[in-house]
Amino acid sequence: AQKVTQAQTEISVVEKEDVTLDCVYETRDTTYYLFWYKQPPSGELVFLIRRNSFDEQNEISGRYSWNFQKSTSSFNFTITASQVVDSAVYFCALTPSDNFNKFYFGSGTKLNVKP
Amino acid sequence: DGGITQSPKYLFRKEGQNVTLSCEQNLNHDAMYWYRQDPGQGLRLIYYSQIVNDFQKGDIAEGYSVSREKKESFPLTVTSAQKNPTAFYLCASSITATYGYTFGSGTRLTVV
Repeated sequence: AQKVTQAQTEISVVEKEDVTLDCVYETRDTTYYLFWYKQPPSGELVFLIRRNSFDEQNEISGRYSWNFQKSTSSFNFTITASQVVDSAVYFCALTPSDNFNKFYFGSGTKLNVKP
Repeated sequence: DGGITQSPKYLFRKEGQNVTLSCEQNLNHDAMYWYRQDPGQGLRLIYYSQIVNDFQKGDIAEGYSVSREKKESFPLTVTSAQKNPTAFYLCASSITATYGYTFGSGTRLTVV
């Protein structure tokens, strides 16, 4: 079975705080891809990052960083020094090799960054 | 600018009516997708199409139909057979799925 769990339904932080969004996935496939998307109030999902199952290297992009750990089936997302513009719903998604056209999305984490 | 255009942004339908949601892309992507999003839930796949004149059912295809007559267009029809159609519908496209999707801005459908 394929499944993505984002246990944090909603998180509120004050601007400039660091915040980590958790993502845990389940798959029996050895080849898969993981993604993070941001959904601002406008509704359109914006691609943030892609990671394949063979690449456990962590990544940093500006204030964003991602920690991929196959041992714990987690792909967590950290925003450093959060800003009000980071307020959005963030989705983690998995696509396994049995059908790369099917993405399995978590239920999303709503992040509220207060000034 | 290249992108995906979904129209209309808001749509109201009376019970028993069919309604068609438009999705057009000028990214030259081969694959296109329709997802449904309900409050507090993730996205669920309705249909996808990898090439023109071919499409596959997703996890929740019942009550929906699609066509793919042109590479740029992938309209979704919500039929009267869909028992709970009120939702936010997102169209997406990709060069290949493992690269990730480009999403449209969505259509919010409300049954009145």
